[in-house]
Amino acid sequence: EPEVTQTPSHQVTQMGQEVILRCVPISNHLYFYWYRQILGQKVEFLVSFYNNEISEKSEIFDDQFSVERPDGSNFTLKIRSTKLEDSAMYFCASSTGPNYGYTFGSGTRLTVV
Amino acid sequence: DQQVKQNSPSLSVQEGRISILNCDYTNSMFDYFLWYKKYPAEGPTFLISISSIKDKNEDGRFTVFLNKSAKHLSLHIVPSQPGDSAVYFCAASGVRGAQKLVFGQGTRLTINP
Repeated sequence: EPEVTQTPSHQVTQMGQEVILRCVPISNHLYFYWYRQILGQKVEFLVSFYNNEISEKSEIFDDQFSVERPDGSNFTLKIRSTKLEDSAMYFCASSTGPNYGYTFGSGTRLTVV
Repeated sequence: DQQVKQNSPSLSVQEGRISILNCDYTNSMFDYFLWYKKYPAEGPTFLISISSIKDKNEDGRFTVFLNKSAKHLSLHIVPSQPGDSAVYFCAASGVRGAQKLVFGQGTRLTINP
């Protein structure tokens, strides 16, 4: 069964450093997403991406965050200057269209120290 | 922001019996609802969905019921199996074509042998 692949599975970074979280969505999917889950809290929407541009973003997705699809297969989330409160599980997801059941990756656990 | 609420953080059910997980929402603009299952260290896995034009959708052991007037949906699992033990998330999507999912806090289901 096709999978969404995320790397790394766990990243530890110092506060203020830049991190890039990587995702390989399912190849025939057209919509891409990032969500995050802070420990003990609900899964929260960050951003959706379609046709090489952001289609929707949440208030969490401020100027410190950016997304890119650099080569037609990878989909990346960059956090420019990490803060302690950015520590969370970050999930990438993809779908064939809006309102279809997304396929989520296994997540990247980001720990900011 | 509590647009989607799962008021039971945990539920314990005997193997073979019915599991009923509940979800309430406040935003009447939601028109598509989904249930996801999540194991530790994995991403959410899509289970079943329902459009607001329906009141029931069934897929094998899983049935989702939607009561629009009460802004309530439920997931029934029958018969419950030990492999069903996981955290279950209810999610909702807005106006048709919008892509963002709003998640509830999750309910941890434990199936006892």
